[in-house]
Amino acid sequence: AQKITQTQPGMFVQEKEAVTLDCTYDTSDPSYGLFWYKQPSSGEMIFLIYQGSYDQQNATEGRYSLNFQKARKSANLVISASQLGDSAMYFCAMREANAGNNRKLIWGLGTSLAVNP
Amino acid sequence: DAGITQSPRYKITETGRQVTLMCHQTWSHSYMFWYRQDLGHGLRLIYYSAAADITDKGEVPDGYVVSRSKTENFPLTLESATRSQTSVYFCASKERGPTDTQYFGPGTRLTVL
Repeated sequence: AQKITQTQPGMFVQEKEAVTLDCTYDTSDPSYGLFWYKQPSSGEMIFLIYQGSYDQQNATEGRYSLNFQKARKSANLVISASQLGDSAMYFCAMREANAGNNRKLIWGLGTSLAVNP
Repeated sequence: DAGITQSPRYKITETGRQVTLMCHQTWSHSYMFWYRQDLGHGLRLIYYSAAADITDKGEVPDGYVVSRSKTENFPLTLESATRSQTSVYFCASKERGPTDTQYFGPGTRLTVL
């Protein structure tokens, strides 16, 4: 069963508007972490934001915020005031505490965001 | 601050040849990872290493070999390259900590003809 689901293969947003990228996850572990990464057309993977399952507040990093709804098992990325440079693929990932020694991440398939001028 | 680097950035090889992709990090992170990225599959873990001389298989290890004699280096070798190994390969590293955030190298685009 897929543990990380990103239901939006592609999204469009107008420059300066806000956009929400969806991510739902599935785990029975009470302790887990959720990550968002950005992959621009140049190819590198850039860490954006992290949310721990026990964190009381939603994570924020500049224009990025994570809308964490634990009961719904969703961890949506909100980008405020979109910029042309935000055009990229965005990946959601999860780390479970019982991932053992490897502490590996489980990845979604990504959402392609295009920001229109 | 070099961070994590990969070489070569682009490589074209032929079926059956041995290829080694290099990964070097300057942070002294304990953990290092190799992923491949293919359309429709996202990122898949090939191998990982928790420390020097400690390596273990990920989801798709077949056809790959790794070693880690030094903390900062984690080379990935394709012993006999196949066309199905055409992909973009990412190396990542992380330190032990509360978040386990992985930081990625720039990637190597490998084409096997």
